[in-house]
Amino acid sequence: GESVGLHLPTLSVQEGDNSIINCAYSNSASDYFIWYKQESGKGPQFIIDIRSNMDKRQGQRVTVLLNKTVKHLSLQIAATQPGDSAVYFCAENPHDAGNMLTFGGGTRLMVKP
Amino acid sequence: IAGITQAPTSQILAAGRRMTLRCTQDMRHNAMYWYRQDLGLGLRLIHYSNTAGTTGKGEVPDGYSVSRANTDDFPLTLASAVPSQTSVYFCASSDREGNQPQHFGDGTRLSIL
Repeated sequence: GESVGLHLPTLSVQEGDNSIINCAYSNSASDYFIWYKQESGKGPQFIIDIRSNMDKRQGQRVTVLLNKTVKHLSLQIAATQPGDSAVYFCAENPHDAGNMLTFGGGTRLMVKP
Repeated sequence: IAGITQAPTSQILAAGRRMTLRCTQDMRHNAMYWYRQDLGLGLRLIHYSNTAGTTGKGEVPDGYSVSRANTDDFPLTLASAVPSQTSVYFCASSDREGNQPQHFGDGTRLSIL
């Protein structure tokens, strides 16, 4: 789920299918991760978070998986709906200067009816 | 509805002019943040405030200043706007800094000519 230049990676899925959006992180010191959804013209919207003492957390229709061994985070959306179309990006707290979140570039999810 | 209010929603500004972007939150959050979002670069932290009366520099602070006179308000000022400051600016807040979800406003779209 990392951005490449000016072009966001895009995932296209059929309505009703499950979606999996991936995010790689680089800092092994990161112990907190968040997924955000951003619709066109709107601010990022918090979806779900996970701490490094967990490897899975579930919300309503969403599941976040954390694999610390390979520094990989994924967001699974069950029964994807047209309203799920948006840009999704992950954030981590690497606990470097300022104890601040660092945001990834995002993946665009397009849901086909 | 509780949340973050940003104003203006959009602005076209001549280079060299001074501009203040406003941000107000009613969640009584201690920490507030300003980000800019540019295509392909994701969200980058400009300045932050962990509590009223304190501020800190983020990743891209040059050309911007902030103040935090009270808990609710966190204005961002461009003292002398330049075209490279054309961007979408997002204000966010969290209960405290670090491992907490940040909640975002809907942004200010700023064009510097």
